[in-house]
Amino acid sequence: DQQVKQNSPSLSVQEGRISILNCDYTNSMFDYFLWYKKYPAEGPTFLISISSIKDKNEDGRFTVFLNKSAKHLSLHIVPSQPGDSAVYFCAASFPQGAQKLVFGQGTRLTINP
Amino acid sequence: GAGVSQSPSNKVTEKGKDVELRCDPISGHTALYWYRQSLGQGLEFLIYFQGNSAPDKSGLPSDRFSAERTGGSVSTLTIQRTQQEDSAVYLCASSLQSGGHQPQHFGDGTRLSIL
Repeated sequence: DQQVKQNSPSLSVQEGRISILNCDYTNSMFDYFLWYKKYPAEGPTFLISISSIKDKNEDGRFTVFLNKSAKHLSLHIVPSQPGDSAVYFCAASFPQGAQKLVFGQGTRLTINP
Repeated sequence: GAGVSQSPSNKVTEKGKDVELRCDPISGHTALYWYRQSLGQGLEFLIYFQGNSAPDKSGLPSDRFSAERTGGSVSTLTIQRTQQEDSAVYLCASSLQSGGHQPQHFGDGTRLSIL
């Protein structure tokens, strides 16, 4: 049972434009969501997170939006840069006391010059 | 460096052999996690340590898998009698504590290939 889903395996965006990566979840018990970025042969790097009590969190070029009623979150990157080309993973965690992360399958983002 | 360190970075072994993977977390991080990533898949949780104890072992796929953590620091993941389906990248992460939703910081992983 895939509790966190990233339905787009890949996404291609022109440099300077907005990249939008999507993530859906099924378990309403999740209360915290994170985005990780992964380059080949490296471990995932934490990018940005959002608590379920918020609907938006912004950090520089990265903004995460959460729609609890739709069980959907998205990561916006604007403007997109070539260095943003990587695999992006959405992850979710349960309330305090059960801290394992449940990951989506990832979306490979390619930024074209 | 100050990051999570994993060794070896690559391991190739024959089916049926035992393997031991090592993780050295960020200094001061009390929580430690093991995940694995099979080809084309997301990360799959294996086990979590708080200090030296493992409150959540729910992700270990079989009794061939075990892990320990000593001194609240280094952890080893052991896979006995390896099978081809064990081939994956094994990732270790650590965080300051298990509560309060501290972001997990990952090492670069051990790529395990079972022939």
